[in-house]
Amino acid sequence: GAVVSQHPSRVICKSGTSVKIECRSLDFQATTMFWYRQFPKKSLMLMATSNEGSKATYEQGVEKDKFLINHASLTLSTLTVTSAHPEDSSFYICSALGQGGAVTQYFGPGTRLLVL
Amino acid sequence: AQSVAQPEDQVNVAEGNPLTVKCTYSVSGNPYLFWYVQYPNRGLQFLLKYITGDNLVKGSYGFEAEFNKSQTSFHLKKPSALVSDSALYFCAVRDGGGGNKLTFGTGTQLKVEL
Repeated sequence: GAVVSQHPSRVICKSGTSVKIECRSLDFQATTMFWYRQFPKKSLMLMATSNEGSKATYEQGVEKDKFLINHASLTLSTLTVTSAHPEDSSFYICSALGQGGAVTQYFGPGTRLLVL
Repeated sequence: AQSVAQPEDQVNVAEGNPLTVKCTYSVSGNPYLFWYVQYPNRGLQFLLKYITGDNLVKGSYGFEAEFNKSQTSFHLKKPSALVSDSALYFCAVRDGGGGNKLTFGTGTQLKVEL
């Protein structure tokens, strides 16, 4: 149980284009999903918290117009990197928190984004 | 504010020997503590958590961790290390009194050698 998927696992795009990453909870409903960014050999940096049916809450320093988050259902959240630039290249990981007072975040396998 | 410290960037241990990965935390309320493991180019896998109750928590793959309130520590342990345990380990904390954001440590690379 508690499986979270991400798609795509790897994406290469040209500078200036937009990329959408999907995060799905496969066997549970997730009231809250989180989006993280991880640099090589570094810890995870929380970008935003996404609640189903409401606007995402962004961490300080994260541009909400650049990293669009949509949490349209209890099993799907999407992160769109708009007008991507090489400095946006990174490993993006989502996590999901179940309903009913769940405390454990379950993580997706991550998406490697390379912007040329 | 909440924070986590993992003082060792890397821990080396011989296969079959016990291993310890250290973690200390700071949180204003009651701590919810977690250990996750990450293999290369993968997401994080949940190992174990402490919420309340017994200070010794047992988790996946033979790992356990001991909550020590006076030392504000939550060290990860395993009695007998395997080469396949080699990975990046993250300790994380959240304030049990409110909010659901996790704060992660900087990670400890565990290398288990034959």
